[in-house]
Amino acid sequence: AQSVTQPDIHITVSEGASLELRCNYSYGATPYLFWYVQSPGQGLQLLLKYFSGDTLVQGIKGFEAEFKRSQSSFNLRKPSVHWSDAAEYFCAVNTGTASKLTFGTGTRLQVTL
Amino acid sequence: EAEVAQSPRYKITEKSQAVAFWCDPISGHATLYWYRQILGQGPELLVQFQDESVVDDSQLPKDRFSAERLKGVDSTLKIQPAELGDSAMYLCASSSSGSLYNEQFFGPGTRLTVL
Repeated sequence: AQSVTQPDIHITVSEGASLELRCNYSYGATPYLFWYVQSPGQGLQLLLKYFSGDTLVQGIKGFEAEFKRSQSSFNLRKPSVHWSDAAEYFCAVNTGTASKLTFGTGTRLQVTL
Repeated sequence: EAEVAQSPRYKITEKSQAVAFWCDPISGHATLYWYRQILGQGPELLVQFQDESVVDDSQLPKDRFSAERLKGVDSTLKIQPAELGDSAMYLCASSSSGSLYNEQFFGPGTRLTVL
């Protein structure tokens, strides 16, 4: 069965610094990959998704992610973090057989001013 | 901007009591999902509806949980009786169809605390 691992439970960065959140997946073929953000008291919002093609994916709010098949990774990046980016970030995978998503355990991002 | 509505936002109940959560998806969305998110974990799909039909309830604890979407619009998730381990955030999401190419839009969730 497919699975997603987010090794970092909590990350703290300074405002203006760059960010990289790690995501590793386990699946035999090419999965469909997603990043969601969950702000306090709100539901999940889709940041970006990868289905095929260009391995560097651009999303909303200045985020991007790169699919690396050799490393089974789909890391999320942002060149300059804003205080409003403080939230919990979830990586998710779908193996294409249905619309069911399998989520990682999340990474909580704290931004210091 | 259309949103997924959920109520109540917070619910505190005692174990063995019955609780119910309501979800109103974005208008026109045929697919509706209920997820459970335990503190410190990612959301886990409980049940997926396509219109009024259940297409996946493999992770739904059917001895105590039930879900319905009678007219293919809004949906209710019920727990009876509630147990301490049911304390979690219950998220509803909808999409225009069951295809993974269609984005799932999430509601704000209902946070359940079972005492």
